[in-house]
Amino acid sequence: SQKIEQNSEALNIQEGKTATLTCNYTNYSPAYLQWYRQDPGRGPVFLLLIRENEKEKRKERLKVTFDTTLKQSLFHITASQPADSATYLCALVFGNTGKLIFGQGTTLQVKP
Amino acid sequence: DTEVTQTPKHLVMGMTNKKSLKCEQHMGHRAMYWYKQKAKKPPELMFVYSYEKLSINESVPSRFSPECPNSSLLNLHLHALQPEDSALYLCASSQAITVAGNQPQHFGDGTRLSIL
Repeated sequence: SQKIEQNSEALNIQEGKTATLTCNYTNYSPAYLQWYRQDPGRGPVFLLLIRENEKEKRKERLKVTFDTTLKQSLFHITASQPADSATYLCALVFGNTGKLIFGQGTTLQVKP
Repeated sequence: DTEVTQTPKHLVMGMTNKKSLKCEQHMGHRAMYWYKQKAKKPPELMFVYSYEKLSINESVPSRFSPECPNSSLLNLHLHALQPEDSALYLCASSQAITVAGNQPQHFGDGTRLSIL
């Protein structure tokens, strides 16, 4: 069955550094991969979507890469700030179903 | 503030009660979803509605009954729930589901449900 994994449950970094989060998937070849942010007690918020033929996508301080050979996506936050502290979820959509499968999430803590 | 509104924010109910969760969006989205999220776990899909018709039921027990009265509203009717059903229930919506599957989903902030 399809599987999506985020390597770290938690990541602690110093303010100003770059945070890098990893998402790996198996037994599937998605056309798209999405990243969401979730704050405690809130619903996930969509951040970025990347297509299989895009190597990299950027939005302000965020950058996502998608390597279909390695079956891996990397999510980078540059010049991190304490306000970036949250849980980040990667997700795959299965074809034309709308079914979104999430990784376990990585909780990022940015310390001042 | 999110564009998907869920009510109530919190709900405590006994195992014999009947209650409903409500979700509303006015973004013109034609797909709506229910997810269940336990503490420190990712959201898990329960149901998908596309153009007001149920398209996916992820083998959810019949004590959960979804309803989509119109394109803006989604309900989840609850009856005879078990303590293990205590969780955060999230509603989401998206543009119409496409073959490509590239539609971001917009989530509400959920209903925190506790079963006594």
